[in-house]
This record gives sequence, C-alpha cells and structure tokens, in this order.
Amino acid sequence: AQTVTQSQPEMSVQEAETVTLSCTYDTSENNYYLFWYKQPPSRQMILVIRQEAYKQQNATENRFSVNFQKAAKSFSLKISDSQLGDTAMYFCAFTSRAGGYQKVTFGTGTKLQVIP
Amino acid sequence: KAGVTQTPRYLIKTRGQQVTLSCSPISGHRSVSWYQQTPGQGLQFLFEYFSETQRNKGNFPGRFSGRQFSNSRSEMNVSTLELGDSALYLCASSSGRWSLPGQPYEQYFGPGTRLTVT
Repeated sequence: AQTVTQSQPEMSVQEAETVTLSCTYDTSENNYYLFWYKQPPSRQMILVIRQEAYKQQNATENRFSVNFQKAAKSFSLKISDSQLGDTAMYFCAFTSRAGGYQKVTFGTGTKLQVIP
Repeated sequence: KAGVTQTPRYLIKTRGQQVTLSCSPISGHRSVSWYQQTPGQGLQFLFEYFSETQRNKGNFPGRFSGRQFSNSRSEMNVSTLELGDSALYLCASSSGRWSLPGQPYEQYFGPGTRLTVT
C-alpha cells in the first residue's frame, strides 16, 4: 500500500521569505507522479506543481519548486518570496498505476500562514 | 474547458434525513473521486467511479454510496445523516487511465458542497 506523510501540521513564514514544506511517501512502484495541491481558506483546491518520478530534474512553477529525492522517497515544496496569497492548506499527493488504473493518495496537509 | 462543478454548494439537513450531492467532471474525464474534508480528519477518500463502475472505496460506512452515469456525472448519497457527517464534500475528476507516459494524471477538484447536519 502506498502512503503519504506530511509531518508538519502547521507552518508560518514571513512575507517575502522562503519556506519549505515536507512530504515523504512510501511505495514499491517505480512509475508514479507526485503533486502538491493548494487549498486557500474557503476556496477551491488547485494544483500547484507536478513531478514525474521518471524525471530527475526537479519541477518548478514560478515561485514554487520541488526537491524530489527518489531514493529517499522525499518530495518537498519550496515557496520563494512568500506572498499573503500563499496562505493555504497544502496537500502532497501521490498517484501510480494500481491494477491497470490510477490510484491517488493524499497526505494530511500542512497549514501555511504567511505573516505580513 | 469548463471545470468540475458541484451542486448544491451549501446544504443544511437534519439528522436522519438523506442527501444527494452531484458532481459534473471536466469534459473527457471518466474518473470521479469523492472526498470528505473535516477540520479534524483532513481529506478522506470516499470512493472513485470510472466508466460507471466503482473501482476504489475508502473506509466509510454503507450509508455513503455513489453512482456514475454514462456521461460521467456522478452522484453521492448519504442516508440517515448523523451530526458527524457535517463536512465539505469534494469531487475530483481525472482521466483515470494509466496508459501514456507524460500524461497529466492529476485530479481537478470542484468547489465542494458544504453539508451541515443539525
């Protein structure tokens, strides 16, 4: 069974600073994808960034980047130049092939507060 | 493309009643997953439907059921509502098929239905 662990229930960061959210996962699969989702307060969950496991290069999307360590099964999210709009719950998610179809597992989330 | 839509957005029900929530996935997506989100339990997987068949199920009692129609729209039903069923119910759609490398396998979420049971 695949599991996703986010060990930081809550974090805070000063505006304009950098923060890193941790995520570890456990799987016996070799072909999978990892995602970070963002859920702002009372707003819709949206995809922040995706990483294909077969790609060694870390994904980046503007101020968001990941540190993907496949051997360590670690997938952290770095937010640079934090903005007030980054305040949200962040969920790490893992998807792989399970019996020929896609199965998704989410972590428990990290609540990030950006302080002005 | 239009995003995932969920109706209704807000619902207030009384204990013992039943409720049906609806989700329309992104056009072309055949997989619809349902999640229950509460402050204490986080995001919990309810079930997933693909081509009108339930192929994944979370650890919820039988009062929670669902179905998917031929147009991929899905409904979730909760019977004999309990106070603890108060939550945000999220629907997510994806292609659901693991076939081609490089495909975007992420899920796209709807805005959710906020259910309050009194």
